Amino acid sequence: GAVVSQHPSWVICKSGTSVKIECRSLDFQATTMFWYRQFPKQSLMLMATSNEGSKATYEQGVEKDKFLINHASLTLSTLTVTSAHPEDSSFYICSAPSVAGYEQYFGPGTRLTVT
Amino acid sequence: RKEVEQDPGPFNVPEGATVAFNCTYSNSASQSFFWYRQDCRKEPKLLMSVYSSGNEDGRFTAQLNRASQYISLLIRDSKLSDSATYLCVVNPNTGGFKTIFGAGTRLFVKA
Repeated sequence: GAVVSQHPSWVICKSGTSVKIECRSLDFQATTMFWYRQFPKQSLMLMATSNEGSKATYEQGVEKDKFLINHASLTLSTLTVTSAHPEDSSFYICSAPSVAGYEQYFGPGTRLTVT
Repeated sequence: RKEVEQDPGPFNVPEGATVAFNCTYSNSASQSFFWYRQDCRKEPKLLMSVYSSGNEDGRFTAQLNRASQYISLLIRDSKLSDSATYLCVVNPNTGGFKTIFGAGTRLFVKA
């Protein structure tokens, strides 16, 4: 089946720094990718929809200037957490829809810890 | 009302038990429905799609009732390895490929 990778799988950074997370579709092209955040014992929360060649669409309550999304190619979307703070510590997961659009293929997630 | 609502859980069942998860969705135009499984600290993985005719995969049976906007997942003969969080996922058919996740129901299967 289709594979989506994420890099890094985990990262620890200091408060105030920025962190970039990459999401790649390995054997298919994805004009759309999704970014989620999951806090411990909570469900996935959709943060934004990444669109190749155009601006990302952010969900209500998600700061677009803090969570920068760039969908530079048909196989790569990046999420940059700018000026990270401890409350940004979370599990960030990306997904890409299948060609038919029904199934979501998830990346393995990136665990971010901000100290 | 949430777009996708699931049983709050957690469910604690012994091995061999039958357990059922319920899920309701608010958008009657929704077209695609899925059950995903998520293990602790891992990404969600597709368990099965849900069709109007119902579908079965081994010990797992999923059913859809469009009139009631209700989806269910039945697990028979529970195994220890079934312990996970089960996520009800709906494509609301609002354009694009956006899917809506329920909050998930945690299942603990005990020996």
